[in-house]
Amino acid sequence: AQSVTQLGSHVSVSEGALVLLRCNYSSSVPPYLFWYVQYPNQGLQLLLKYTSAATLVKGINGFEAEFKKSETSFHLTKPSAHMRDAAEYFCAVSVPPTDKLIFGTGTRLQVFP
Amino acid sequence: NAGVTQTPKFQVLKTGQSMTLQCAQDMNHNSMYWYRQDPGMGLRLIYYSASEGTTDKGEVPNGYNVSRLNKREFSLRLESAAPSQTSVYFCASRTLPTSHEQFFGPGTRLTVL
Repeated sequence: AQSVTQLGSHVSVSEGALVLLRCNYSSSVPPYLFWYVQYPNQGLQLLLKYTSAATLVKGINGFEAEFKKSETSFHLTKPSAHMRDAAEYFCAVSVPPTDKLIFGTGTRLQVFP
Repeated sequence: NAGVTQTPKFQVLKTGQSMTLQCAQDMNHNSMYWYRQDPGMGLRLIYYSASEGTTDKGEVPNGYNVSRLNKREFSLRLESAAPSQTSVYFCASRTLPTSHEQFFGPGTRLTVL
């Protein structure tokens, strides 16, 4: 069965610092993996997705994630945090064949000036 | 295009009351999904519809019913609301067969007293 674990429910960084949000997955089949961002009182917006092409995936707003099969990880990074990055981030794995999404519990990112 | 729209945005119910949450998408997507979001639990799938005329249970279907009215619309009904159904509800849609991305609506915040 597919599952997702996000380590750290809260992450705090200073503006300009590296952002690293961790995601590990469990899947019995080659996974499709996603990172979504949720700004306060809004819906979810796709940041990036891995669908078995390149293992390093670039997304919107300067974020990227690397698929590492040996570590069953899909960590999200951004070299330099900006105040506008403060939001909640969700990692998700897709369950074939219906592509239902299994979400992690989310990581709230705070960015301090 | 409006994308995925949801009505209402906010709702307060008393225990035992019923209501229907509406969702519509204008992207000609085949699959539609209902999730609920609770603090510390991420998003959990309630029901989904892989195509017009079909619906299936997700992870937490108890207390809910759905109707896929046509290709555009997918409604979620609470027949007898309970305080445990206080949550934020998100509708999502996805096209088939090659896209694995789900597009989310803005959410409905429901409080059951």
